Amino acid sequence: NAGVTQTPKFRVLKTGQSMTLLCAQDMNHEYMYWYRQDPGMGLRLIHYSVGEGTTAKGEVPDGYNVSRLKKQNFLLGLESAAPSQTSVYFCASSGNEQFFGPGTRLTVL
Amino acid sequence: DQQVKQNSPSLSVQEGRISILNCDYTNSMFDYFLWYKKYPAEGPTFLISISSIKDKNEDGRFTVFLNKSAKHLSLHIVPSQPGDSAVYFCAASSGTYKYIFGTGTRLKVLA
Repeated sequence: NAGVTQTPKFRVLKTGQSMTLLCAQDMNHEYMYWYRQDPGMGLRLIHYSVGEGTTAKGEVPDGYNVSRLKKQNFLLGLESAAPSQTSVYFCASSGNEQFFGPGTRLTVL
Repeated sequence: DQQVKQNSPSLSVQEGRISILNCDYTNSMFDYFLWYKKYPAEGPTFLISISSIKDKNEDGRFTVFLNKSAKHLSLHIVPSQPGDSAVYFCAASSGTYKYIFGTGTRLKVLA
């Protein structure tokens, strides 16, 4: 039982490049989330999903897209990375409580 | 508009003493509150929660108090241990599985 896993753990992008962050959970949770954590800003919700095939915008969705084609996976895409997207990204899934992945540290140069 | 606020970015406490972390919220629709603990380079981990129908919930050394009229909750850790040194986030939700997090308080327990 791995819980919530995220790949990759680290990534450096150049401005304008694209990438996809993968989140996987093995707890059969319906709800999944993507957050970003920035100094002094806490955890801010980017997008979330209440079930397979559904997604919804969170607090800071601009510049990101998501997909939930399979219940266990939640993908976060950056189509054209910007330096403002330099952050640590956390995925989470929830039943009665949220379980977080270990995070992805993304730097956009 | 910060709906969940943790106004103390850091707190230092002596080992064995009580740590009190505070959290304020503005949305009266919030009915479920949680505390998370985060170590460096790891994801947050759930610590303790409280429903709005209660004013106190206790789990070992951790107690969360909720004052709905003041829109305030606090986490008490007693006795504090060096391993409690971490960043603590409070979070709130309003009948959905969407959580709003505070900015975090860094607790340092001094040996």
